[in-house]
Amino acid sequence: SYVPTQPPSMAGAPGQTVSITCGGNIGSKSVHWYQQKPGQAPVLVVYDYWYRPSGIPDRFSGSVSGGTATLTLSRVDGGDEADYYCQVWDSSRDHWVFGGGTKLTVL
Amino acid sequence: VHLQESGPGLVKSSGTLSLTCAVSGDSLTSSHWWSWVRQFPGKGLEWIGDVFHTGSTYYSPSLRARLTFSIDGSKSQFYMKMISVTAADTAYYFCARRALETSTATGGYIDYWGQGILVTVSS
Repeated sequence: SYVPTQPPSMAGAPGQTVSITCGGNIGSKSVHWYQQKPGQAPVLVVYDYWYRPSGIPDRFSGSVSGGTATLTLSRVDGGDEADYYCQVWDSSRDHWVFGGGTKLTVL
Repeated sequence: VHLQESGPGLVKSSGTLSLTCAVSGDSLTSSHWWSWVRQFPGKGLEWIGDVFHTGSTYYSPSLRARLTFSIDGSKSQFYMKMISVTAADTAYYFCARRALETSTATGGYIDYWGQGILVTVSS
């Protein structure tokens, strides 16, 4: 079955910018992004490609180009260490799917 | 909005998994889907499906044959029943509130999650 493609891991030094991609079949509906820290439920950080829920800092931003959605974290710090998942519509099976997740390490 | 899953943490293989999600801070008759998502040990998230306050349901195609969702607005609870479980169903199960999709193809995101419950299927 379709699983949106995400890099398994990314790393960045404090203060740097990190971009996490989600690709494969983007376009029929919106893309949403979640942050999950160990032992916790996921938290919505970006919805409808680029909107941020209240309480999410503007260091988190989303974009889409062609068939790839991107979550960008600017000025990363240790508190951003987490797994990040995209949520994409699978039009071939008419249901939502999650990407495989990207583990972000802040060096 | 707060969601809380409850149910057995251990289910025997070939048996039935029944979970309850108690909701507070919102009415189950609000314009949202009430959803189930699971996460396998190690990482992957999987959409299980949704129930609406009218009783409308959506089931993941791969799980549809084994699932039944229901909802009780008077108790502020919704439910999942999965039959014929195997070890492959061992996972954390989350209940969640999900925004409706719009006519312009926006929406569909989960804005509130329960804390999750680990369900282990044993032989």
